[in-house]
Amino acid sequence: ILNVEQSPQSLHVQEGDSTNFTCSFPSSNFYALHWYRWETAKSPEALFVMTLNGDEKKKGRISATLNTKEGYSYLYIKGSQPEDSATYLCASIKAAGNKLTFGGGTRVLVKP
Amino acid sequence: EPEVTQTPSHQVTQMGQEVILRCVPISNHLYFYWYRQILGQKVEFLVSFYNNEISEKSEIFDDQFSVERPDGSNFTLKIRSTKLEDSAMYFCASSLRRVPTYEQYFGPGTRLTVT
Repeated sequence: ILNVEQSPQSLHVQEGDSTNFTCSFPSSNFYALHWYRWETAKSPEALFVMTLNGDEKKKGRISATLNTKEGYSYLYIKGSQPEDSATYLCASIKAAGNKLTFGGGTRVLVKP
Repeated sequence: EPEVTQTPSHQVTQMGQEVILRCVPISNHLYFYWYRQILGQKVEFLVSFYNNEISEKSEIFDDQFSVERPDGSNFTLKIRSTKLEDSAMYFCASSLRRVPTYEQYFGPGTRLTVT
């Protein structure tokens, strides 16, 4: 994998359902993975910063896992609510740098 | 809660004109960044700035672009002679440390439209 990729590009979720989506990133020279939540017309908001293989982070109903050896991260939303509707961006950082390389985002729409 | 602010929210300019996009980072942050997102594309890194100098820049950040921290609070991105392909949403970000494990805090963006 040369770039950071996210799938799916978009998904519709029924309120109350759980969902998850993927971020793939180059595993060579990996240092950290950032997840951001971006609502329309607002600033992207940091959710998690993950560095260690096997890392799991949780914030309320949102959690994320990290596999640095195979180069992927999952983000989970449990019991989706309409306010979870946003674009979720992941970005990786390589060692000896601090520029974020973003994926294309997963746009989540939670339907009441 | 402290936040990064950007002005203007939308700037329309004619091709060939100079534009300056302004950002006020979080006050105790030391590292500053510009990113941009062309419509339909990924957010991409432009430049990072620390201690009054550029610490890293992408291949996009050519001689037409410059950054400055003129007064200790503002952080600006100047495009000297805009092109149609410069139309994008420009995001400023700041972080407390130059460590990849620190979050970068983003502003809401400036939408630049070049006609």
